[in-house]
Amino acid sequence: NAGVTQTPKFQVLKTGQSMTLQCAQDMNHNSMYWYRQDPGMGLRLIYYSASEGTTDKGEVPNGYNVSRLNKREFSLRLESAAPSQTSVYFCASSESRAIRMELFFGSGTQLSVL
Amino acid sequence: EDQVTQSPEALRLQEGESSSLNCSYTVSGLRGLFWYRQDPGKGPEFLFTLYSAGEEKEKERLKATLTKKESFLHITAPKPEDSATYLCAVSMFSGGYNKLIFGAGTRLAVHP
Repeated sequence: NAGVTQTPKFQVLKTGQSMTLQCAQDMNHNSMYWYRQDPGMGLRLIYYSASEGTTDKGEVPNGYNVSRLNKREFSLRLESAAPSQTSVYFCASSESRAIRMELFFGSGTQLSVL
Repeated sequence: EDQVTQSPEALRLQEGESSSLNCSYTVSGLRGLFWYRQDPGKGPEFLFTLYSAGEEKEKERLKATLTKKESFLHITAPKPEDSATYLCAVSMFSGGYNKLIFGAGTRLAVHP
């Protein structure tokens, strides 16, 4: 049982390049999320998908786009990477967006934008 | 402003030396408080959920408690394998949906 799988693990981009981070979960969860984690700050929500077919902005959506491909997969795209997007990115899933929303996280993608 | 603050930022303990981590919050309409453990290079791993003041949860050497303004994660007789960053998160209802706010974490190092 893999849980939440993210790829790639590491990525280095030049300013202006684009890339897509992939995420898949095998727990039959309805809700999926993308977070970024920066030193000295709490995890911040970029985008989320409450259920298949829906996506919504979180706290820090600028510069990102997402696609909920199906119930299992939720991708994050950087169209034109900027140094401010250097961070560790985590995908997560939960049964729903209701009160019982324990999150299950992937192992993260460390992204550096030069 | 809704806020979650964890203290201390870092804590160094000797094996067997019990201590507590603090998570204080200022949010309107708490729906739940969550504790996660994060090992270096990995994603956070869920530990506990607390829903109301007075509630307590235990798991091995860890015990989480909740008051109206803060939560404590008590670590009893820690071992080196308890070394990790511990994250606190608060769930609240805002803007029509459940919102989760994370603290910056406490880095715990337990030395033999």
